[in-house]
Amino acid sequence: TQLLEQSPQFLSIQEGENLTVYCNSSSVFSSLQWYRQEPGEGPVLLVTVVTGGEVKKLKRLTFQFGDARKDSSLHITAAQPGDTGLYLCAGIRSSNTGKLIFGQGTTLQVKP
Amino acid sequence: GAGVSQSPSNKVTEKGKDVELRCDPISGHTALYWYRQSLGQGLEFLIYFQGNSAPDKSGLPSDRFSAERTGGSVSTLTIQRTQQEDSAVYLCASSLGPVQNYGYTFGSGTRLTVV
Repeated sequence: TQLLEQSPQFLSIQEGENLTVYCNSSSVFSSLQWYRQEPGEGPVLLVTVVTGGEVKKLKRLTFQFGDARKDSSLHITAAQPGDTGLYLCAGIRSSNTGKLIFGQGTTLQVKP
Repeated sequence: GAGVSQSPSNKVTEKGKDVELRCDPISGHTALYWYRQSLGQGLEFLIYFQGNSAPDKSGLPSDRFSAERTGGSVSTLTIQRTQQEDSAVYLCASSLGPVQNYGYTFGSGTRLTVV
């Protein structure tokens, strides 16, 4: 049973299009992080969201944490080929543990 | 070093052999984590070290898996009597402090192939 479900699992779009990736759970998380992973490398942290309803922007990327802290979304505006990669959401159940629970990832391919 | 260093980067081993995977975290990072990633999948938690506390081993899939962290720095993940289902990328990460504040810094991983 996957505690964090990401959708879609695979997305192939043209440069300039917009997209949204979803990360859903039936469990509450104290905070949630998004990572991006390129082939042959480890994931790299993009953002941490902590407060229910929180919205954070990182250039063309917008991250939102659901009001109930059970879900999150990543929206990319005007995607670029450099955005290609595996996007992973990861939740923290309790601030007392450092253990992250990862979703299965969304593979994004942006074609020029 | 500047980042988390893992070695070897690739390892091919025969079924039944033992393997050791090494992780050298960022200096000063007190927390160290091991995850594994199967092809196209998310990351599966294996084990977590925090300072001098007893490690959280709750993710180790069987007693063939073990890990140690010597001197609060370098960690070794050992897989005994490897099986084909152990084939995966093994990722190590370290963190300077509370993960919600600092996140993980990952190494590039060790790709293990059991033939």
